[in-house]
Amino acid sequence: AQSVAQPEDQVNVAEGNPLTVKCTYSVSGNPYLFWYVQYPNRGLQFLLKYITGDNLVKGSYGFEAEFNKSQTSFHLKKPSALVSDSALYFCAVRGAGNNRKLIWGLGTSLAVNP
Amino acid sequence: DTAVSQTPKYLVTQMGNDKSIKCEQNLGHDTMYWYKQDSKKFLKIMFSYNNKELIINETVPNRFSPKSPDKAHLNLHINSLELGDSAVYFCASSQLRTSGSYEQYFGPGTRLTVT
Repeated sequence: AQSVAQPEDQVNVAEGNPLTVKCTYSVSGNPYLFWYVQYPNRGLQFLLKYITGDNLVKGSYGFEAEFNKSQTSFHLKKPSALVSDSALYFCAVRGAGNNRKLIWGLGTSLAVNP
Repeated sequence: DTAVSQTPKYLVTQMGNDKSIKCEQNLGHDTMYWYKQDSKKFLKIMFSYNNKELIINETVPNRFSPKSPDKAHLNLHINSLELGDSAVYFCASSQLRTSGSYEQYFGPGTRLTVT
């Protein structure tokens, strides 16, 4: 069964430092992986996805994610964090079958301190 | 132009009442979803429609009934509201791409408070 895990409930980083939000997955077949961000009192926004090809995927707002097949990970990264990056981040994987379902992680709250 | 819109944004009602939330998308997508996000921010899929056909129907009380009059609209009707129904409800839409990917696009949410 498809599953995704975000091992950290909260990540704290100083502004200007690099940030990493972790995600690991378990899938049968090829993984289709996604990152979303949710700012306070807003809906989720799509950041980036991995389907195939380069292991480093670039997305919105300067975020990128590194796909690692051997470690079954898809960590979200940004070279220099901004206070405005403080939000809730969700990792997701495409579900099995044809029901157009995404399997979601529990979310990681990122706090960027000035 | 708003891609996925929901009305109302806030809904405060009493236990036992019946209420509806409406969703519209102008992205031309063929699949729409309802999610519930609880106070711990966990996202739970409730229903999904593809071309007006119900394709996901998770374990949800039958007080919740979705309805999709056309591909661009998905409504959620809730009967006999309970305190535990208080949450933020998100609508989303997606389109299957030739790559096999179907990233979802979310509405702003409807915050339902049952008193």
